[in-house]
Amino acid sequence: DTAVSQTPKYLVTQMGNDKSIKCEQNLGHDTMYWYKQDSKKFLKIMFSYNNKELIINETVPNRFSPKSPDKAHLNLHINSLELGDSAVYFCASSLQSYGYTFGSGTRLTVV
Amino acid sequence: AQTVTQSQPEMSVQEAETVTLSCTYDTSESDYYLFWYKQPPSRQMILVIRQEAYKQQNATENRFSVNFQKAAKSFSLKISDSQLGDAAMYFCAYRSFGGAQKLVFGQGTRLTINP
Repeated sequence: DTAVSQTPKYLVTQMGNDKSIKCEQNLGHDTMYWYKQDSKKFLKIMFSYNNKELIINETVPNRFSPKSPDKAHLNLHINSLELGDSAVYFCASSLQSYGYTFGSGTRLTVV
Repeated sequence: AQTVTQSQPEMSVQEAETVTLSCTYDTSESDYYLFWYKQPPSRQMILVIRQEAYKQQNATENRFSVNFQKAAKSFSLKISDSQLGDAAMYFCAYRSFGGAQKLVFGQGTRLTINP
């Protein structure tokens, strides 16, 4: 009965590969997000979807492409992975003005 | 654009004592929300406390309370009777009242609890 679930929790891959991270929420929230936490623990938004519509697209390389098949799912696909993409990626969801609910994060390591 | 600053990269406190974590923010908006999140070593982001800018009363949640100074754009977190389980990274975050609902985070403060 996890509220926001991300898979996988850990991902180790070689440079140049393509990988996806999946996220699902069962809270009935209407907005979902992807955040990136770098090696210094700084958290920054990447994308936001509201009812399957992209509403926030920060300055992110176009190798990163989010996909929202429905309002309960938001996946992140990354093409041609680079060493600098290594980070923890968090999915989150929210309903209007309340706080976010975060997933447990996906630690991506590019070697 | 809004910014959030946490000027204390690390703090430590003796178990059972009180500690205050600082946060300042910059915004031209009059309505917004402020949050404190806790991130223990498990890396899960846990909401600690939430404050609406239009409320003058400071939010409290058990041992956690805030000192919200709207004019000074300051939002500090006080943890009373510190426990070993409070050890974590703490992030202050800002969210606009309307429009894009992204959270803008501070740099984080690593809190250590000394037994």
